Amino acid sequence: GDSVTQMEGPVTLSEEAFLTINCTYTATGYPSLFWYVQYPGEGLQLLLKATKADDKGSNKGFEATYRKETTSFHLEKGSVQVSDSAVYFCALSDRPGANNLFFGTGTRLTVIP
Amino acid sequence: GAGVSQTPSNKVTEKGKYVELRCDPISGHTALYWYRQSLGQGPEFLIYFQGTGAADDSGLPNDRFFAVRPEGSVSTLKIQRTERGDSAVYLCASSLTGQVSYEQYFGPGTRLTVT
Repeated sequence: GDSVTQMEGPVTLSEEAFLTINCTYTATGYPSLFWYVQYPGEGLQLLLKATKADDKGSNKGFEATYRKETTSFHLEKGSVQVSDSAVYFCALSDRPGANNLFFGTGTRLTVIP
Repeated sequence: GAGVSQTPSNKVTEKGKYVELRCDPISGHTALYWYRQSLGQGPEFLIYFQGTGAADDSGLPNDRFFAVRPEGSVSTLKIQRTERGDSAVYLCASSLTGQVSYEQYFGPGTRLTVT
């Protein structure tokens, strides 16, 4: 079945450090891949997505590239800020016309000044 | 405009009782999803509505769980004979259609505690 495995946290970084959160997936078809973010006290919101192999999703300085050969969708940011502190979820959808999302367990990121 | 809203925000119930959780999607969104998020886990898909019909209910854990969306807008998730293991945050999301190109917008969730 479909599944997502993401790097366990928590992750603590200093401001301006480089961030990588690893995500790998298992899917029977050709899934679309997503990163969702949950800021403290807020609901889940879409951060970025990629719908086919080699696509790069980007938003707010975050990037992730859909790598079919390694079944990965790692999240990166070159210089994190305190405001990036949140829980990050990797997710996939592989049902055409029915965007049911399968989520990873989440990675909590804390950025310290 | 208004986002997805869910009521109540918190619900405490005793084991064996019946509960209803409500979701008000964004106006005009035809697709509606329910997820369940247990502590320390990612959201787990429960059911997907396209309009009034349940297009995919493969995530419902057993027949104690049921959901309706009679007019294609508001949805209610119903749990019978609640068990302590049902304690979780129940999330609702809506999108313009069910296609992957349309973003899902999540509500704040209902935290259910079964004592």
